[in-house]
Parts: sequence; structure tokens; C-alpha cells
Amino acid sequence: ETGVTQSPTHLIKTRGQQVTLRCSSQSGHNTVSWYQQALGQGPQFIFQYYREEENGRGNFPPRFSGLQFPNYSSELNVNALELDDSALYLCASSPIAGGLVDTQYFGPGTRLTVL
Amino acid sequence: AQTVTQSQPEMSVQEAETVTLSCTYDTSESDYYLFWYKQPPSRQMILVIRQEAYKQQNATENRFSVNFQKAAKSFSLKISDSQLGDAAMYFCAYRINTGNQFYFGTGTSLTVIP
Repeated sequence: ETGVTQSPTHLIKTRGQQVTLRCSSQSGHNTVSWYQQALGQGPQFIFQYYREEENGRGNFPPRFSGLQFPNYSSELNVNALELDDSALYLCASSPIAGGLVDTQYFGPGTRLTVL
Repeated sequence: AQTVTQSQPEMSVQEAETVTLSCTYDTSESDYYLFWYKQPPSRQMILVIRQEAYKQQNATENRFSVNFQKAAKSFSLKISDSQLGDAAMYFCAYRINTGNQFYFGTGTSLTVIP
């Protein structure tokens, strides 16, 4: 069974640029969630994708957007990068149980640094 | 508001001893799930244990067990026979049954002393 994978591992961008982070869900999982984890903090929910559509969103501005593909992999796009966007971005996949998300399984994360 | 509080930013335990990590949460929902995740320095968040709120019996997974007090909205994690590999950041989290979002605490950094 393949776990959740994310790419790239590390990324350095400058303020105002755009970035795309990628996630491959665990085998058999069809739901992907994205989290932002600032240094010394717990993960904060950005949004979730199910059946290629956004299925819930946290308190993040529209410049954070995403996609889910037919193979359940996902992308997180961030436009107009700000210094505060520097964080570890975590992807988590989960199976659907009765239409709701059960336990989430996390990838290793992408460390984004904005200069 | 949905919040999770971990009041112990750092904890330490001697190898082979027992340690308890605290977590409290605030929700008006009655049906939800609770989780403890471990995040080693390698960064990958690993599920340690989960508890359904409707179950009164405390969950256990080998050396890991929880003390779930629903009325007090408390969900502590007990690690028995601590091992060096248990050193990590531990996050408490929950999800309400009618939602998809996980709410995380700020974490407790556990050090295991040889």
C-alpha cells in the first residue's frame, strides 16, 4: 500500500510569486485535505477536495486554491505569495465512510519559504 | 468556536516510564471523533490513536491509551513504557461528525531521556 506523497520537499519563493504544491493520495483514498502548519503551531485546515470538487474550506483567502484530479491526486496553488505564507504544507488523504471523512493520513509535507 | 488546547508545550519522561499528555477541546457538538497524532522530526504526521465520542470505553493501542472524559471535554494520552522512538511532537485533534475539518491543538513536544 502506497502512502501519501508530496512534492517538492522544499521550496523557496519570493514575495508576489505563485507556487504549486502536489500531493498523491494513499492508495484507495478519494479525499484530500490540505493544511498549513506554521512554525511551532498545529496544522490549520485550508480546504478539502472530494470527487474533484472543493468540499469544505477553512479561513484562508481566495489566493489559496486547489485542484483534484481523476486519480485523486491534488494540487495546492498559492498566488501573490506573502511572507506569512512561509510554512509546512501538509496533505492528508482519507477514505470516505458514509459520506464523511474518517481518519486522515498525512504526507511528509512541503516546506515553503517566502523571501 | 471549535478549539483544542494542549496546555503542556513541553514534556519529558525517562525511558521505560509513563507519561500523560493533556488535551481539552471545546465544541457544542455531541458526536465527534478525537485523535492523537505524532510528528517526529522527520515531519510526517502519524496517527497514534483515535476515539469515537459516542464510545465510553477508552481506546488503547499497545503502549498508548487515552483517558476520555466527555463531560469535561478532556482527552489525555498516556504512553506506557516510554521508548526513545516516542520522542516527537504530539498533536491532539478532533473532527465533528457532520463536518470534514480536523481541528488541531498547538502540540506538546515530548523528550524521552535515556
